[in-house]
Amino acid sequence: SQTIHQWPATLVQPVGSPLSLECTVEGTSNPNLYWYRQAAGRGLQLLFYSVGIGQISSEVPQNLSASRPQDRQFILSSKKLLLSDSGFYLCASRDRALDTGELFFGEGSRLTVL
Amino acid sequence: GQNIDQPTEMTATEGAIVQINCTYQTSGFNGLFWYQQHAGEAPTFLSYNVLDGLEEKGRFSSFLSRSKGYSYLLLKELQMKDSASYLCAYMDSNYQLIWGAGTKLIIKP
Repeated sequence: SQTIHQWPATLVQPVGSPLSLECTVEGTSNPNLYWYRQAAGRGLQLLFYSVGIGQISSEVPQNLSASRPQDRQFILSSKKLLLSDSGFYLCASRDRALDTGELFFGEGSRLTVL
Repeated sequence: GQNIDQPTEMTATEGAIVQINCTYQTSGFNGLFWYQQHAGEAPTFLSYNVLDGLEEKGRFSSFLSRSKGYSYLLLKELQMKDSASYLCAYMDSNYQLIWGAGTKLIIKP
């Protein structure tokens, strides 16, 4: 099965500062990769997904961006954080050969913007 | 549209049985997932149903009725460690997961 490494685990940042969350995947090649955000007591909101290197689809227009510089690396960034960016961010991976395969999640990154 | 509902919170007693319901409305459907999420942790996969009926896996079972847009997760012989949020999600026609807000399950001794 896949292993997703995600860091940092916890982050406290001031409004207007930049952000970089990184995710790497082991145990699969050419996966579909996802960034989700989960607000307290809410469901998972899909932010970005990628089907290959350099291919990024954005689900929600906002001040965040994503990049996939390598097959098993997915980065979430922001140039200037907003208070509303606070939340629990999850990277996820799915075997591209299995359209209905399960999602494997990273450990999550808890971001607090002050 | 994308519409999926599950109860916000449920309480059950250790050793008992609990059923968590999930209803959805969608024009495209490629299966339904249940995930468990402990507080502050990432979700972990529990089950996947694409055909009608009951799938049993140990103490956990999941049921699907596609015609009714309905699924449930059944947890038997509840243990304290089962206290968690349970997330229901359906896969749409683009193979994207649409998530419910989760059901927080509280287990009392």
